[in-house]
Amino acid sequence: DAGITQSPRHKVTETGTPVTLRCHQTENHRYMYWYRQDPGHGLRLIHYSYGVKDTDKGEVSDGYSVSRSKTEDFLLTLESATSSQTSVYFCATRVGLAAAYEQYFGPGTRLTVT
Amino acid sequence: QQQVKQSPQSLIVQKGGISIINCAYENTAFDYFPWYQQFPGKGPALLIAIRPDVSEKKEGRFTISFNKSAKQFSLHIMDSQPGDSATYFCAALNAGGTSYGKLTFGQGTILTVHP
Repeated sequence: DAGITQSPRHKVTETGTPVTLRCHQTENHRYMYWYRQDPGHGLRLIHYSYGVKDTDKGEVSDGYSVSRSKTEDFLLTLESATSSQTSVYFCATRVGLAAAYEQYFGPGTRLTVT
Repeated sequence: QQQVKQSPQSLIVQKGGISIINCAYENTAFDYFPWYQQFPGKGPALLIAIRPDVSEKKEGRFTISFNKSAKQFSLHIMDSQPGDSATYFCAALNAGGTSYGKLTFGQGTILTVHP
């Protein structure tokens, strides 16, 4: 998993509560990404970061925010969880070298919103 | 414009057979096409990738065929094995500009190889 850990690995929360998922990497990769995986939709990009404090929205960013205060950590926050945010969340990293496009994925966090 | 459409959604193959998964894209600016393999409970991992300057790339039993004019690419798994049973995702990326390596993924194909 290229030195990527995600925490927690499983979480059940109630509608309306805030939730923060953490991604930690040990490889000093420049780029970090948050995806959600849902049946029939593949992997969809939520937010990404191209450096410390540099972040931008992906295709499904509504209801999510991110922060990256250190190279190694990328946090995803669900501001007020809804049942539609029940999903498996993956963090990924990329080295940042030109023409090195491989993304390395973490083990995922399964989130259930009741 | 950013979509990548993948088919079939699921595929059952006998051991030793050929598995074929297809993807089509619309954005002609895409210029990097990887395939990722995902086992249950794990994150996806890069399997093989191709750039549009070649029509085919082979790594062991895995081959990508690329048809630029049709905007289609496919993954062929020769001599499929039960250990190949996994979910496969195609993806595409526009390497130029400020894409920051953002991948657009297909919907995924669940491959089951029976012994």
